[in-house]
Amino acid sequence: GAVVSQHPSWVICKSGTSVKIECRSLDFQATTMFWYRQFPKQSLMLMATSNEGSKATYEQGVEKDKFLINHASLTLSTLTVTSAHPEDSSFYICSAIPQKRNSYEQYFGPGTRLTVT
Amino acid sequence: AQSVTQLGSHVSVSEGALVLLRCNYSSSVPPYLFWYVQYPNQGLQLLLKYTTGATLVKGINGFEAEFKKSETSFHLTKPSAHMSDAAEYFCAVSEGGYQKVTFGTGTKLQVIP
Repeated sequence: GAVVSQHPSWVICKSGTSVKIECRSLDFQATTMFWYRQFPKQSLMLMATSNEGSKATYEQGVEKDKFLINHASLTLSTLTVTSAHPEDSSFYICSAIPQKRNSYEQYFGPGTRLTVT
Repeated sequence: AQSVTQLGSHVSVSEGALVLLRCNYSSSVPPYLFWYVQYPNQGLQLLLKYTTGATLVKGINGFEAEFKKSETSFHLTKPSAHMSDAAEYFCAVSEGGYQKVTFGTGTKLQVIP
């Protein structure tokens, strides 16, 4: 149980275009989802916390107008990279926390590798 | 504020040898601590976690970690390394059940046959 999927697993786009990445909790409901970015050979950096039905909370230095997050349901959060540039190329990983009480574990998706040309 | 320091970005061990990956944390409240493993181009998988209670935590694949408050440490160990253990390992801390998690910089484990 507790499976999180991401779609697409990889995407190549041209500079200036927008890309949407989906994060789904397949067998549980998640009030809270997180979006991370991981550059090559580096750790995960939290970009934002996504709460169902409310605005996302962005970490310092993350442009909320560039990285649009929508958490429309208890099983789906989306990250849209708007006007992508080569420096946005990265591995994007989402995670979700099950809604049930006392579940403190974040379940991670497999990641989406974005390459902007 | 919370932070995690992982000592050693690369660790090499021989197959069958003890694995020890070091992690020290900083937290303003009693921490929740985690170890995750990441294989190339994949997401993270939880190895084990400490929230409250017993300070020696056993996880999957034979790994365990001990929470030592006095040393602010949460080192990961495995008695006998297996080739399949070669991966990147991340220590992480949060300040509550539904709070954001801060990750360390990771330790890449190499297992030598």
